[in-house]
Amino acid sequence: DVKVTQSSRYLVKRTGEKVFLECVQDMDHENMFWYRQDPGLGLRLIYFSYDVKMKEKGDIPEGYSVSREKKERFSLILESASTNQTSMYLCASSLPGTETYGYTFGSGTRLTVV
Amino acid sequence: RKEVEQDPGPFNVPEGATVAFNCTYSNSASQSFFWYRQDCRKEPKLLMSVYSSGNEDGRFTAQLNRASQYISLLIRDSKLSDSATYLCVVRRANSGYALNFGKGTSLLVTP
Repeated sequence: DVKVTQSSRYLVKRTGEKVFLECVQDMDHENMFWYRQDPGLGLRLIYFSYDVKMKEKGDIPEGYSVSREKKERFSLILESASTNQTSMYLCASSLPGTETYGYTFGSGTRLTVV
Repeated sequence: RKEVEQDPGPFNVPEGATVAFNCTYSNSASQSFFWYRQDCRKEPKLLMSVYSSGNEDGRFTAQLNRASQYISLLIRDSKLSDSATYLCVVRRANSGYALNFGKGTSLLVTP
């Protein structure tokens, strides 16, 4: 089975800190995605990447950046954490051309910014 | 109009009941459709893809109506373990493999 691993399950950070959320997948997937999920708002796409060193903005990229130096790793960076970035962050990956299979998600990182 | 819309529920049904969830999507060029299941405080997991001709997986049946831009999920003989949030998901038409998620429909199956 594809495994998508997010480095932290729970994280508490202070306002203004630079925060790194790491995601690693072990099945050589080209596509990787970062979403955040908030009550009443559902999953919203932050950034995605279809290849190493490639990135595309999703619907809510403000306040975030990403890095994909290796195919298996896709990092989400909060440049200066704010309380409105408190959320559940979900990483996902997929293979191109496997539209019928959707995504595989990591187990999520619940980030609290205080 | 939101990209993917679902009735949030909650749907409270007794064990053994049949329950149906509906979903509409706004972009007629969308090509791939899915239902995901999400348990409380867990990540979403793929339940099933939705094909144009409709498809069934055990107690679960998915239907797609492209003309109406409407997707449905039918669960027969509900089990307690079916209690979860069901997310309707549509692949974006203009950005490769990115997916749009509905906000989910909550199902609680009671004894």
